[in-house]
Amino acid sequence: DAKTTQPTSMDCAEGRAANLPCNHSTISGNEYVYWYRQIHSQGPQYIIHGLKNNETNEMASLIITEDRKSSTLILPHATLRDTAVYYCIVRVTFLGTASKLTFGTGTRLQVTL
Amino acid sequence: DTGVSQDPRHKITKRGQNVTFRCDPISEHNRLYWYRQTLGQGPEFLTYFQNEAQLEKSRLLSDRFSAERPKGSFSTLEIQRTEQGDSAMYLCASSPGGWVETQYFGPGTRLLVL
Repeated sequence: DAKTTQPTSMDCAEGRAANLPCNHSTISGNEYVYWYRQIHSQGPQYIIHGLKNNETNEMASLIITEDRKSSTLILPHATLRDTAVYYCIVRVTFLGTASKLTFGTGTRLQVTL
Repeated sequence: DTGVSQDPRHKITKRGQNVTFRCDPISEHNRLYWYRQTLGQGPEFLTYFQNEAQLEKSRLLSDRFSAERPKGSFSTLEIQRTEQGDSAMYLCASSPGGWVETQYFGPGTRLLVL
């Protein structure tokens, strides 16, 4: 299973872009990268996923390097409500397309005034 | 927009007691997952249902744990003879399936075994 490496913690000023890196150097060609976040005492919240192209949705942008060995999640204008633990996950499939999400310990993002 | 719901949200029990948790997935989601999260760690996969069939179980799921999903709708997770090591957040997620699926998580049930 592809393993991910993330910084333990990061700080970001409110209103600025938060760039969260993730290393997944052992990713296979057909494995997707997913990002979830978990605000204290809540269930994980899906943010975005991608395979090789950059992706953007209403929450964030995902930049995947050309060799797919790393990616960056970008929150364009961080707010205090974005304070959470962010998990970068390489999806492991089984029984066809079902997924086991291996969360690791994530990056604790603290957004400050 | 009705998301995944779980009940109860919190449960305190004494060691040796049985507990049961319920998960109601998003309507028409045929896939349902259970995860467990201990303090300071990310969630870990426990088991997977496709409709009513339990198709995958983690080795984390000891024989004291049993999960069901009758009629392919809600699911229950029962822990028999609870131990202090069972204290954790139990999370349920559902998915509509598909080639690139997205799992949507409920708020979790936090279990404390005294």
